[in-house]
Amino acid sequence: GAVVSQHPSWVICKSGTSVKIECRSLDFQATTMFWYRQFPKQSLMLMATSNEGSKATYEQGVEKDKFLINHASLTLSTLTVTSAHPEDSSFYICSAKGARGTEAFFGQGTRLTVV
Amino acid sequence: DAKTTQPPSMDCAEGRAANLPCNHSTISGNEYVYWYRQIHSQGPQYIIHGLKNNETNEMASLIITEDRKSSTLILPHATLRDTAVYYCIVRVAPNTGNQFYFGTGTSLTVIP
Repeated sequence: GAVVSQHPSWVICKSGTSVKIECRSLDFQATTMFWYRQFPKQSLMLMATSNEGSKATYEQGVEKDKFLINHASLTLSTLTVTSAHPEDSSFYICSAKGARGTEAFFGQGTRLTVV
Repeated sequence: DAKTTQPPSMDCAEGRAANLPCNHSTISGNEYVYWYRQIHSQGPQYIIHGLKNNETNEMASLIITEDRKSSTLILPHATLRDTAVYYCIVRVAPNTGNQFYFGTGTSLTVIP
């Protein structure tokens, strides 16, 4: 299957700082990217959907000013967690899908710990 | 919102077939059934998807009932590396940007 690379794999940051997570599709053009958050022993929760060149669509209850999503190219999307707090500590996973593809491919995830 | 129901956990003996059920009684005519799995602390991995016909690939088989209200993912010869959480997802039209919503999934443990 297609390859989606997420960076970094893990990050520790201080409370109040911002963290940027990158998601790249390595061998296809990702017209749509999805960002998920997963807490321990829970399922993936969709945070937002972004189409290349458009503003992201956020799920209900997700603060768009706190979780900034940029999808400026067909191979890169970024999620910035602004003013991170300990409760933002979680496993963040991106997913990418091409225009003709029928399935979405997932990155390996980023474990964020806010201290 | 997830539109599927799966048992929370299952065990399977190594080498045996693992049959994972999924109920999607409210599925619409244009919704496909997708299966993904997630090994601990990794991103989900695509397994298979289908509309109404049974599907098979190198990883698994997907059996969809005639009324499409349920399906079964079959891993023909389970190995220890198949231990994971398996998610059944229904989603409209594959060639769109429509979202993938995950339910609670089934935690499959393959026992030696």
